[in-house]
Amino acid sequence: GQNIDQPTEMTATEGAIVQINCTYQTSGFNGLFWYQQHAGEAPTFLSYNVLDGLEEKGRFSSFLSRSKGYSYLLLKELQMKDSASYLCAVRTGGSYIPTFGRGTSLIVHP
Amino acid sequence: GAGVSQSPSNKVTEKGKDVELRCDPISGHTALYWYRQSLGQGLEFLIYFQGNSAPDKSGLPSDRFSAERTGGSVSTLTIQRTQQEDSAVYLCASSRSPDSSTDTQYFGPGTRLTVL
Repeated sequence: GQNIDQPTEMTATEGAIVQINCTYQTSGFNGLFWYQQHAGEAPTFLSYNVLDGLEEKGRFSSFLSRSKGYSYLLLKELQMKDSASYLCAVRTGGSYIPTFGRGTSLIVHP
Repeated sequence: GAGVSQSPSNKVTEKGKDVELRCDPISGHTALYWYRQSLGQGLEFLIYFQGNSAPDKSGLPSDRFSAERTGGSVSTLTIQRTQQEDSAVYLCASSRSPDSSTDTQYFGPGTRLTVL
């Protein structure tokens, strides 16, 4: 089975940087996804990591360490619109179905 | 349409009634997934369709839940004899190439089901 852990809630200030961590335990690994979900809306794809290291995409970056079963999503220059839930999802070898964590609710305040 | 669509957006029903939820995936996407999201919970996998292959039903919580995908496109999730614990947002997603490790799921807006 799989176990994916994320903090339940985080708060940060507009303009700041925030790091959302995700740890996982799986019997195999074939990629990790981050999704953003605003309240009442569908999750939208942010990033994908399958190799160790940092993937940067504008204000958002995602890091993966396969040996540690660890990933983080880094959000820079926070904006109020970044207030949302951030979902970490892991796909294991042989399965096309990602398993999602419970999500981290990020609240950005002025 | 450009994205995944789902209907209805909201459904209120009485305990014991049957409900049908519909998903229209993105055109050309061969894979279709159903998830359930309860308040404060992560996305719970329900069922997966890929092309003409037999669906993966391993996530369905009980035999009251079933799903079909006709013509490789539209899918219907049916819940029979609904219970209050079935109340949740039901999300549908589709993807183009599930055999690719970089395949990305695109989600619909969901159907919020409330069982009274």
